[in-house]
Amino acid sequence: DQQVKQNSPSLSVQEGRISILNCDYTNSMFDYFLWYKKYPAEGPTFLISISSIKDKNEDGRFTVFLNKSAKHLSLHIVPSQPGDSAVYFCAASVGTSYDKVIFGPGTSLSVIP
Amino acid sequence: DVKVTQSSRYLVKRTGEKVFLECVQDMDHENMFWYRQDPGLGLRLIYFSYDVKMKEKGDIPEGYSVSREKKERFSLILESASTNQTSMYLCASRPPLTGLKETQYFGPGTRLLVL
Repeated sequence: DQQVKQNSPSLSVQEGRISILNCDYTNSMFDYFLWYKKYPAEGPTFLISISSIKDKNEDGRFTVFLNKSAKHLSLHIVPSQPGDSAVYFCAASVGTSYDKVIFGPGTSLSVIP
Repeated sequence: DVKVTQSSRYLVKRTGEKVFLECVQDMDHENMFWYRQDPGLGLRLIYFSYDVKMKEKGDIPEGYSVSREKKERFSLILESASTNQTSMYLCASRPPLTGLKETQYFGPGTRLLVL
């Protein structure tokens, strides 16, 4: 059973609009969450993270929101750009041991010019 | 800039063959990881290593082994390849934890097809 779920395999958004990627998790012990971005033929690259002591973290056009009670996080990209087209992986870990980072299945985002 | 390289981008092997996937990082990182990525399943951890000659099983170690003889190199071994090991294999390295923003740096991946 997947502990980190991304229920939308794909998402299309117009350039300039907001992209919202969602992620749900089942393990209440997770307390650190990350988003990775992956282009075809490249490895994933770190995008943004959030600790469970926060409910929001912002980095430029990217904001991650965490709702612990719902075990839900979301990544907002505003404004979306064609270069944001990629697969986005949500990931989670427990405590300071980041060795077992659990990844979700990914959401493929297409930003249409 | 951290660089993680993987020896092959594409590999085609036959069932039963022994397969070696090599990963090298140039940042003197202690920690290295092997994942496989499959559609609908995301990245799943196969093995990781804290240091030279040390290894730990991840979530799906069956059918795989690893070798870490030098700090910069982490090898994944398929002793007898099977068709269900057809996948994208990703290597990653990570420096010691110095804060919450430490993350893994991934190589470009090796796409393995087992016939």
